[in-house]
Amino acid sequence: GENVEQHPSTLSVQEGDSAVIKCTYSDSASNYFPWYKQELGKRPQLIIDIRSNVGEKKDQRIAVTLNKTAKHFSLHITETQPEDSAVYFCAAKNQGGKLIFGQGTELSVKP
Amino acid sequence: ETGVTQSPTHLIKTRGQQVTLRCSSQSGHNTVSWYQQALGQGPQFIFQYYREEENGRGNFPPRFSGLQFPNYSSELNVNALELDDSALYLCASSHSGGASYEQYFGPGTRLTVT
Repeated sequence: GENVEQHPSTLSVQEGDSAVIKCTYSDSASNYFPWYKQELGKRPQLIIDIRSNVGEKKDQRIAVTLNKTAKHFSLHITETQPEDSAVYFCAAKNQGGKLIFGQGTELSVKP
Repeated sequence: ETGVTQSPTHLIKTRGQQVTLRCSSQSGHNTVSWYQQALGQGPQFIFQYYREEENGRGNFPPRFSGLQFPNYSSELNVNALELDDSALYLCASSHSGGASYEQYFGPGTRLTVT
C-alpha cells in the first residue's frame, strides 16, 4: 500500500548548523509533497511544499528537494535557531487527494 | 494561524459511547479532510469530504463516519468508542478544483476514551 518513510526519527543540532530530514514514498503517482512543523500541543503548520514538476524550492532558510526517479524528497534547514525545535512531518499526496504522512522527526536545536 | 476551527478542544468519553467532532473550514475552501494523530505518530488519513460527499477514505472501520454541510463545515462521528480511539483528531481544509493543493489544519480535538 501507500507508504512514506521518514528519517531520522530524532535529530539534535547546534544552533547555526544545518539540519536535513529525508523521506521516501512508495506511490509513484504522488504529485505534491508538503512539510509540516508541529510544536508541542499545537496544530501542524505548513512550512514549505513542492510539486512533482519541480526539483527544488527554497524559502529563506528552508529548502526542499525532490528526486522523482528515486522517490525521495528532503527538507533542508540552514542556520538553525532554537525556535526551529519541533516535530517535522513530511507527506505525499496522491492524485486522489489523500495525504500520507511520515512518522515525524523530532528536531532539537541546542543554543 | 489558519482560519480552520474545531470543537470541542478536549473530550473525555467512555468505551462504547458515541462522539461527534466539528470542523469549520477556512474561507474559500470547499474540502475537509479528517486525520487521527496518535501520540508520537504522524496524522493518519480517515476520510475527505468534497461537495457534501465522501471523497476518499483511509483504513478506518465504518464506525468512523462523517458529514459535510452546504457551508463546507464538517462533522466526524465515531460510534462504539474503543480505548485505541484516544488520539488528537485533526481536520484540514483545502480547495479542490483549483491550482492550490495546500491543506491547512485546525487546532484539533483531543479525545480520551476511558
